[in-house]
Amino acid sequence: AQSVAQPEDQVNVAEGNPLTVKCTYSVSGNPYLFWYVQYPNRGLQFLLKYITGDNLVKGSYGFEAEFNKSQTSFHLKKPSALVSDSALYFCAVRPYLSGYNKLIFGAGTRLAVHP
Amino acid sequence: DAGVIQSPRHEVTEMGQEVTLRCKPISGHDYLFWYRQTMMRGLELLIYFNNNVPIDDSGMPEDRFSAKMPNASFSTLKIQPSEPRDSAVYFCASRGDEQFFGPGTRLTVL
Repeated sequence: AQSVAQPEDQVNVAEGNPLTVKCTYSVSGNPYLFWYVQYPNRGLQFLLKYITGDNLVKGSYGFEAEFNKSQTSFHLKKPSALVSDSALYFCAVRPYLSGYNKLIFGAGTRLAVHP
Repeated sequence: DAGVIQSPRHEVTEMGQEVTLRCKPISGHDYLFWYRQTMMRGLELLIYFNNNVPIDDSGMPEDRFSAKMPNASFSTLKIQPSEPRDSAVYFCASRGDEQFFGPGTRLTVL
């Protein structure tokens, strides 16, 4: 079965420190990979994506993600966290088998950045 | 562009009533998706359309759920009759190059 795993329900980090939100996937073929962020009472917002090319992709708000094919991972990173980064983060894949149409989401990781 | 528009933002209804959720996608987007978000199940894809045609409705939980897209600028998700376990936040999303989500409709079925 195709799936996305976000092993941490919550990540706590101090403001100014680097942050990492982990994501691994189990999907056949070469999927497209995404990160979305959800603020309270809002819809999901696109952060970044990986389709092909450089394993390190840069996105909105200073976030970046590193694709690792051998580990089937796509971890989200930011060098210096802000309190305003506190939100719910979702990793997602669009598998080849769906014609790259269907987004499969992980369960989400809540990021809490403390002053 | 105003983004994906959903209405109503909140809906409270009683079990057995019909509920209709509405979505206006971003102009020019040819894909439209309906999702449901709950604490227990996370984000679930219910159905998606391409050029107004339903492509995959395998995520629709029961026959009580139906979705239509009569034209490129409007879609509805209907639940009839509604049940308390349908309580969730329902998101519509549309996609051109990227997928954008609406603000969601929070449905409470008493």
